Amino acid sequence: DSGVTQTPKHLITATGQRVTLRCSPRSGDLSVYWYQQSLDQGLQFLIQYYNGEERAKGNILERFSAQQFPDLHSELNLSSLELGDSALYFCASSPLSPGQGNTIYFGEGSWLTVV
Amino acid sequence: AQTVTQSQPEMSVQEAETVTLSCTYDTSESDYYLFWYKQPPSRQMILVIRQEAYKQQNATENRFSVNFQKAAKSFSLKISDSQLGDAAMYFCAYSSSNTGKLIFGQGTTLQVKP
Repeated sequence: DSGVTQTPKHLITATGQRVTLRCSPRSGDLSVYWYQQSLDQGLQFLIQYYNGEERAKGNILERFSAQQFPDLHSELNLSSLELGDSALYFCASSPLSPGQGNTIYFGEGSWLTVV
Repeated sequence: AQTVTQSQPEMSVQEAETVTLSCTYDTSESDYYLFWYKQPPSRQMILVIRQEAYKQQNATENRFSVNFQKAAKSFSLKISDSQLGDAAMYFCAYSSSNTGKLIFGQGTTLQVKP
């Protein structure tokens, strides 16, 4: 158990819908990262937050947005869902500020299936 | 931009034998970190080992060790005394000292034969 909690674990929804994935980082961790893992692709970095502020952005679609709240939990919002958005979405956290080489710990992921 | 390349999509090893997974990376930075993560069929991402670029000594964690060649930008993972539970997808990852985010290779699927 990494200490990173993601909900829901599984989610099936229809095209055009909107979903929210939730992540609680390890206790004390200030940085949160979101990654997407599709069947035919590797792990793609989406976005990073540190202590409530966005710190880095990767290949995140405009239909996707995220935020980190004062209690440090984070949410990833996916809207106007398409079949190609079906993937495993990972949240990860690390204890220190970005750039200090701290280890990143992953949650178990949220499986999203768009039908 | 930094890139990570794993040139071996699949590898297999006999139980109790040793196997080496390859990884190369490209970066212009001098300060960075390298990782190997394991992803078993459960799809959970599990940290195997970590290496700081400023350290010349290769990292080891029990049966897992790395061969870090900074000049060659190579970072291979050696698994000794392979066990059935080692069967998984292995990802090599690079972390910039500036952002902390991980950049992953394509992964290597390791099969362990009894």
